[in-house]
Formats: sequence, C-alpha cells, structure tokens
Amino acid sequence: AQSVTQPDIHITVSEGASLELRCNYSYGATPYLFWYVQSPGQGLQLLLKYFSGDTLVQGIKGFEAEFKRSQSSFNLRKPSVHWSDAAEYFCAVGLFPGTYKYIFGTGTRLKVLA
Amino acid sequence: DTAVSQTPKYLVTQMGNDKSIKCEQNLGHDTMYWYKQDSKKFLKIMFSYNNKELIINETVPNRFSPKSPDKAHLNLHINSLELGDSAVYFCASSQEGGADTQYFGPGTRLTVL
Repeated sequence: AQSVTQPDIHITVSEGASLELRCNYSYGATPYLFWYVQSPGQGLQLLLKYFSGDTLVQGIKGFEAEFKRSQSSFNLRKPSVHWSDAAEYFCAVGLFPGTYKYIFGTGTRLKVLA
Repeated sequence: DTAVSQTPKYLVTQMGNDKSIKCEQNLGHDTMYWYKQDSKKFLKIMFSYNNKELIINETVPNRFSPKSPDKAHLNLHINSLELGDSAVYFCASSQEGGADTQYFGPGTRLTVL
C-alpha cells in the first residue's frame, strides 16, 4: 500500500540555523513528490515538487529537497531558517497520472526560536 | 484574485443539521478535490472530480454528497451532521490528477456541537 511517513511530528530550530525535514514514501512506481507548507489558519501552498530529472529541486522561500530513490526519501532542507518559516509542513505523493489521488504525510510542525 | 475560494470560512452548527460548503476555482483546472483535516492536522482526501465527474470517493459516509455543477465549482453537502464531522475541510484543484500541483482553498472550519 502507498504511504508517506514524516517521522518528526515537531521540530524546533533557532532562527538562522539549518533545517532538514524528513519524508519517506512507499510506492511501487515512480513517485510524483511534493512539499507543501501550511501557515496557521491558511490553506496549503506548494513549496516544491519532483517529477523526474535532477534529484535536487529548488523551491520557493529558499527551500530545496533531494530525491533519493535508494532510500525512498524526499527530505526538505533550508540552510538558514527565518522566523516566518514557522508552520506545518506536509510531504505528499501523487499517484501515477489519471488516478486523481494524493497521499499526504502526517505533517511536521516547525517552531522557530528567536 | 483568489485562485481557490471557499465559503463559508467558519461553520458552527448543531448535531443532526444539514450544511453545505461551496468551492470555486478560477484557474481553469479540470480536477477538483475535497479534503478533511482532523484536529491532529492529518489530511485525507475525500473526493476527486474530473470534468464534473466523480473519480474518487474514499469510503466517505453517504451523508457527504459532493456536487459539481461545472468544472469551476465543487460543493459539499453534509446531511445529519455528527460530532466526528468537526474538522477543517479544504477544497483544492489541479489541472491533472496525481501528477500535478494542487492549489488549495483557505479551508472551512466546521464545528458540530
């Protein structure tokens, strides 16, 4: 069965520190991978996505993610966190085209200390 | 210009009532979705529609009935509301399903008393 695991429910970092949010997926075919961010009281906004090609993808707000097929991972990184990055982060897998289905991880809540 | 809009933003109602949530997208997308986000922030797909046709119904109770009058609108009607229906409901749209970016609405927080 397809699944997405985000092992860290909460992460706290200091402003200016680096960040890595983990995401592991289970899916038999080539995954379409996404990272979304949800600020309090808001809907989800796409940070970045991976479909194919270069396994290191750049997104908005200075985020990047690396797809590692051998580890079934798609970890999100940012070299220097800003206070405004405090939010909930969701990793998602889009199943092969035509299924109209996405599976989301349980989310990681990021807290940023001033 | 709001890409995906939902109304109302908040909905407080009594058990047993019937309520509707409306969603509209102005992105020209062919596919629309309803998601339920519970109190632990878990996001689960409920329905997917493509070109006004129901594609996915993820074992949602039949008290929930989506309706898509046209490609730009997907409404959600809920009959006989129960306490467990309390959640945030998100509408989303994408051009294609499964491989395309989804654009989410701001959410509707439903509280059933």
